[in-house]
Amino acid sequence: EDQVTQSPEALRLQEGESSSLNCSYTVSGLRGLFWYRQDPGKGPEFLFTLYSAGEEKEKERLKATLTKKESFLHITAPKPEDSATYLCAVHGDSSYKLIFGSGTRLLVRP
Amino acid sequence: DGGITQSPKYLFRKEGQNVTLSCEQNLNHDAMYWYRQDPGQGLRLIYYSQIVNDFQKGDIAEGYSVSREKKESFPLTVTSAQKNPTAFYLCASSSLGAYNEQFFGPGTRLTVL
Repeated sequence: EDQVTQSPEALRLQEGESSSLNCSYTVSGLRGLFWYRQDPGKGPEFLFTLYSAGEEKEKERLKATLTKKESFLHITAPKPEDSATYLCAVHGDSSYKLIFGSGTRLLVRP
Repeated sequence: DGGITQSPKYLFRKEGQNVTLSCEQNLNHDAMYWYRQDPGQGLRLIYYSQIVNDFQKGDIAEGYSVSREKKESFPLTVTSAQKNPTAFYLCASSSLGAYNEQFFGPGTRLTVL
């Protein structure tokens, strides 16, 4: 069964303190791994798609990487406006649907 | 501006009532989806549609119904058969192609009184 686990559930950082969020997945034939950002009471905002192990993508202070078993979302020198829940999702061969993790709630303190 | 709109933002339902949540997109996407989000849980798929006049059940379709009469619109009805409908409902769309990223609307928060 396809599965996605995100860790930690919650993360508190000081402004400027870099860290990483983890997304571990089990899927039959990965076709795509997606990262989203979600602010409270709003819909998820698309960040990145990764398709194959070794791929990396960057956007401002965020960098997503992918291995055969997990993905990391690295946050470099975060700012308070980076505070949000970050969601990971995967598409596998066996299903048309996205499988979502429960998310990591990030709080960046000034 | 292209995007996905959902209405209303907040919706209150009495026990035994059916309510319909609206979802419209102007991205020219073929596929549309409905998800339910509960606190501390991942998004769960209710229904999806890849083409007009066709839709499939997701993981938690019981107590819900949909229609897809137009490419731009995918309304969701929460029926009185849904035992625990209080949740945040999200509509999404994507290009046709199973592995394309999905783009989400702003959501509707439904509360049962």
